[in-house]
Amino acid sequence: QKEVEQDPGPLSVPEGAIVSLNCTYSNSAFQYFMWYRQYSRKGPELLMYTYSSGNKEDGRFTAQVDKSSKYISLFIRDSQPSDSATYLCAMTKTGNQFYFGTGTSLTVIP
Amino acid sequence: EAGVAQSPRYKIIEKRQSVAFWCNPISGHATLYWYQQILGQGPKLLIQFQNNGVVDDSQLPKDRFSAERLKGVDSTLKIQPAKLEDSAVYLCATHRGDRTDTQYFGPGTRLTVL
Repeated sequence: QKEVEQDPGPLSVPEGAIVSLNCTYSNSAFQYFMWYRQYSRKGPELLMYTYSSGNKEDGRFTAQVDKSSKYISLFIRDSQPSDSATYLCAMTKTGNQFYFGTGTSLTVIP
Repeated sequence: EAGVAQSPRYKIIEKRQSVAFWCNPISGHATLYWYQQILGQGPKLLIQFQNNGVVDDSQLPKDRFSAERLKGVDSTLKIQPAKLEDSAVYLCATHRGDRTDTQYFGPGTRLTVL
């Protein structure tokens, strides 16, 4: 079993839609959770960084962590064509070694 | 604050040739990672350095890949000889080393092996 599972998509939504991206994990020791956005031919850029369970909001983005279910989500409100990218979830136990999902490809259609 | 720098951005070589990639981390970041990202997959850790010492190289194919981080700053990753399956993006990431921070990625080097 992989440490982190992520549906690769692809996901295609109309502009303005709410997007939900999800990852599940198997190791209950993970404490820090991240979402990265990766545009084509670019390196991943950090979008959201959360510690333990709960919600974190930043503009149109909300990250949710449910440690009891070993499930994390990223919500994008009012999606824009510029949100079209691959979204990677990542997590770590100690803040030093990181485990990645395979990424979900998102296309927002104008 | 300047980001993680990598060069070259693109490289095309023939199989059995050798290639080297370079990474310059964010100033003061003690931890440096090299990842391999094959198209459609998440980054796979190749090697992790803490300053100039290796923390984890369990997934580095040591018969052909080598990496060093002299003086605990810049790092180079080398492949010799390259195989077709080494075609991927090689990402360098760095981390301050404290658990309240995360890692930051460079733009990557896209390697094509023909």
